[in-house]
Amino acid sequence: DTAVSQTPKYLVTQMGNDKSIKCEQNLGHDTMYWYKQDSKKFLKIMFSYNNKELIINETVPNRFSPKSPDKAHLNLHINSLELGDSAVYFCASRPTGTGTTEAFFGQGTRLTVV
Amino acid sequence: AQSVAQPEDQVNVAEGNPLTVKCTYSVSGNPYLFWYVQYPNRGLQFLLKYITGDNLVKGSYGFEAEFNKSQTSFHLKKPSALVSDSALYFCAVRDVTNAGKSTFGDGTTLTVKP
Repeated sequence: DTAVSQTPKYLVTQMGNDKSIKCEQNLGHDTMYWYKQDSKKFLKIMFSYNNKELIINETVPNRFSPKSPDKAHLNLHINSLELGDSAVYFCASRPTGTGTTEAFFGQGTRLTVV
Repeated sequence: AQSVAQPEDQVNVAEGNPLTVKCTYSVSGNPYLFWYVQYPNRGLQFLLKYITGDNLVKGSYGFEAEFNKSQTSFHLKKPSALVSDSALYFCAVRDVTNAGKSTFGDGTTLTVKP
């Protein structure tokens, strides 16, 4: 069983379009994240939710809007896509606990904006 | 602010030789330190972590890491490298006083040659 699953795995779209990436975890974790990995493989946190509440919101354009309908899901909606949004987006989750727990990552969604 | 530095973009070793992937960190409080590995076209996988206690921690696939508080380092090591260890390695630090936010290093590509 996949612990953290993202859909779609690949997404090719034109500039200006709006797209969503879905993430689901079946681990019972309280905290979920979105990370962006750019072409140089650098990994940057974008958002973090704890029990459906936004707790970390890094310097990300307003075009990016996370939504957590329940604690097992964290979706990422992107408006007005730009060429610079091309990257691999990773969802991750972990039990909140005391901060000592490791994160579990999804397989990633490779977004290509043309 | 917390930060992580992985000073080497690339590490090349011969199979059977020991390997070291370096990581130094900066946090205001006590650090929780993690190593993750990313194989091509995959998400990150947890290798090991330092929370407290023994400075030498052992993890998956024969990897270990040594926490050195005075040098603020957490280098990843393996006594005998395998070709299958070739991957991208990320060091991460979490400051428990910073809402559990993790900061990742820029990654080090390990290549093990037969």
